[in-house]
Parts: sequence; structure tokens; C-alpha cells
Amino acid sequence: SAVISQKPSRDICQRGTSLTIQCQVDSQVTMMFWYRQQPGQSLTLIATANQGSEATYESGFVIDKFPISRPNLTFSTLTVSNMSPEDSSIYLCSVTWAFGEAFFGQGTRLTVV
Amino acid sequence: KNQVEQSPQSLIILEGKNCTLQCNYTVSPFSNLRWYKQDTGRGPVSLTIMTFSENTKSNGRYTATLDADTKQSSLHITASQLSDSASYICVVSAWGKIIFGKGTRLHILP
Repeated sequence: SAVISQKPSRDICQRGTSLTIQCQVDSQVTMMFWYRQQPGQSLTLIATANQGSEATYESGFVIDKFPISRPNLTFSTLTVSNMSPEDSSIYLCSVTWAFGEAFFGQGTRLTVV
Repeated sequence: KNQVEQSPQSLIILEGKNCTLQCNYTVSPFSNLRWYKQDTGRGPVSLTIMTFSENTKSNGRYTATLDADTKQSSLHITASQLSDSASYICVVSAWGKIIFGKGTRLHILP
């Protein structure tokens, strides 16, 4: 298993500002992902964080809005830029082992006012 | 289209009772199926993971079943406790793609 530390756990932000979420894993992992979970909805994959190269974004998500860093195999950040109330969600970091089991951070509950 | 459908959307039961949550999927090719428990405001935590050849997997009071022929899975919770109140999410993997169900919201009443 993996221990994933995600912070902040929650934040309230003004619209137009940016928030950077950090994800730290206690062991080196190849695959790290960022998800968004809007109220009452399922998890939606934002992007795959690639170590040493640009993140791979899913349809509907762009780098200018959600820039991602992955400086090494244990750490990644997701920035939510120029926030609007529609960005209010839970943001989750996830890692996957080769067998396919995914582990999640405790999530960041973001409220944009 | 790869989809994972869960039912019911929400469920309320009394403490101590049993319940069964359903998951139907149309994901192909199938790799594995997992059930997660997600407490409010927290990240999902894995309960069980099953591959194509596994029919049943237990984790304490949680028992998951898988019928790969009908593409159905269930999660049975025995002797429910107040701490079981959470969302239960069915997740199916297929060649690196992970498809999430919308979850079943379970409320346990004292």
C-alpha cells in the first residue's frame, strides 16, 4: 500500500486567485493522477502527472487552468488557476500500482467564493 | 461506451441490518473491479479488488461478488454499523483506463 499526504485538506478562496495543492507519497511511484469530484458526482480524471515531462490532460481540462508539476517520483502539485465558483470541488491525488489498485489522498475540499 | 452504473443511488438502513449494493458495468476489456468506501470529505479507501477469475472477496463485514459473464458485482455489508455511513464507489479498470461509478450513498440510522 501507499501513504499519500495531500494538503491543504480544505481551503476557501476568492475568485480570480489560484491555489496549489500538494501530494506527497511515501514511496516512489510511476503513475500519479489528479481527480476532481464535484458535489454528488463521481470522480473525474483531470490529468496524469508524468515525471520529467508535461502532464497528460483529459478532454475538457487544459494546462493553463490546471498546471501540474511532477519534479520526482514521490511528489506532485496541482494548481487551480483563476478560480471561479464552478471550481468548488474535492480534488484528489491518486497513485496506482502495477496490479491496478489505486490509492487516494485524503482530498482537498476547495470552496471558491 | 465504457460505463459503470451503481444502484441504488442512496440507501437508508437501521444499524445492525444487512444491505447489498449493486454495480453493473459495460467496460471492455475487463481488468479488475474494485469497491471503495468514501467518507464525507475524504478520499476513497479500497475495500476489495477482484480480477476476472475471482467470484468472491471478503474484507471483514464487507463481501464483494463478481459475475464476469453478466458484468455485475455486488457489495454486501453484514451487521451494519454507524461508521458504515459513507459513499461506496464501484471502479472498473480496463487497459489502464479507470472508470468510476457515481457511488451509492449509504446512511446507517441508530
